[in-house]
Amino acid sequence: DSGVTQTPKHLITATGQRVTLRCSPRSGDLSVYWYQQSLDQGLQFLIHYYNGEERAKGNILERFSAQQFPDLHSELNLSSLELGDSALYFCASSPRGGAKNIQYFGAGTRLSVL
Amino acid sequence: GESVGLHLPTLSVQEGDNSIINCAYSNSASDYFIWYKQESGKGPQFIIDIRSNMDKRQGQRVTVLLNKTVKHLSLQIAATQPGDSAVYFCAENDNTGGFKTIFGAGTRLFVKA
Repeated sequence: DSGVTQTPKHLITATGQRVTLRCSPRSGDLSVYWYQQSLDQGLQFLIHYYNGEERAKGNILERFSAQQFPDLHSELNLSSLELGDSALYFCASSPRGGAKNIQYFGAGTRLSVL
Repeated sequence: GESVGLHLPTLSVQEGDNSIINCAYSNSASDYFIWYKQESGKGPQFIIDIRSNMDKRQGQRVTVLLNKTVKHLSLQIAATQPGDSAVYFCAENDNTGGFKTIFGAGTRLFVKA
């Protein structure tokens, strides 16, 4: 058990809908990262938050947004969902976001858009 | 169930043999390179890392080699066991424009008993 909790484990929804994925980092970790893992693109970095502030953005669509709350949990919001958004979404946490950065991953949320 | 259905490069080894998984990276400015292991139905798990100013680092049954000249990283697993069957990803930490980790495509390791 990595100590990172993601909910829900599975999510099935329809095109055009909006969903929220939740992540609770390991106790004391200030950094939260979101990744998308789909069949044809491997693990894609989406966004990094550190202590409530956005630190880096990857290939995150404008339909997607995230935030990190004062209690350090994070939410990833996906809106106007398309079939191609079906994927595994992982959250990871680390004590900080420095050069030597070991990330601890949750078990993921499997999103199916029908 | 299987978490990833990628058409990944696959390495098949006999139990007890040594495994070598290779990775090419792109960013010469990366400070750290990391190997992660992803088992079916789970998130990636840290295995070992190496700083960019080193060329070799050893852990328990694993060794990572870094060749900056050709931007190549390898993970060697000694005495491979069935429990080592997984997808292995190399990753590089990119500090340009904020901190992010870039993952490679992954290699699927099958260990035959």
